[in-house]
Amino acid sequence: GQNIDQPTEMTATEGAIVQINCTYQTSGFNGLFWYQQHAGEAPTFLSYNVLDGLEEKGRFSSFLSRSKGYSYLLLKELQMKDSASYLCAVRDRGYGQNFVFGPGTRLSVLP
Amino acid sequence: ETGVTQTPRHLVMGMTNKKSLKCEQHLGHNAMYWYKQSAKKPLELMFVYNFKEQTENNSVPSRFSPECPNSSHLFLHLHTLQPEDSALYLCASSQGGQGQNYGYTFGSGTRLTVV
Repeated sequence: GQNIDQPTEMTATEGAIVQINCTYQTSGFNGLFWYQQHAGEAPTFLSYNVLDGLEEKGRFSSFLSRSKGYSYLLLKELQMKDSASYLCAVRDRGYGQNFVFGPGTRLSVLP
Repeated sequence: ETGVTQTPRHLVMGMTNKKSLKCEQHLGHNAMYWYKQSAKKPLELMFVYNFKEQTENNSVPSRFSPECPNSSHLFLHLHTLQPEDSALYLCASSQGGQGQNYGYTFGSGTRLTVV
């Protein structure tokens, strides 16, 4: 079956670093994506990993280990505007664009 | 604006009503999707269209009926819904292709309440 797990909620302090973990078990794998979704808004693309290792993009980095079915999103120098839900999604086929989404992690950044 | 526009943003309908949700993209994408997002649950894929052809129907009840007249427009027709159908309905589009970083572009969603 298809299963993606993430913590439901996390809290961190402004200026700190937070790591949001994601584990997955899917029938196929062709890339892992992270999306950010502010309340009442559309999810927006943050990062993409298809090979093992770390992808860095400014304050955000994403890591993937395919053998462990594991990824994390690392947010540095947290800002209040980073308070949002973070969705982990796996593209489970080599064709098309069908994604399996995790439940999302709601991050609250406190002053 | 994300490039994918959904209307209306909010909709309240009775269980006997018929309404339609609209999605429009001008990104030149060739695939469009409907997702349902309920509180504390993962995004659930409902329908997939590639080049206007429906390629996936994820066991969605027949009270939801999609329509894709062209690659830029996608509709979701609703009739005799149930209160448990209340959710955020998200439309997304993508370029498609293998092995590429083709993520989704999402619309802002329609918040549907069935009373």
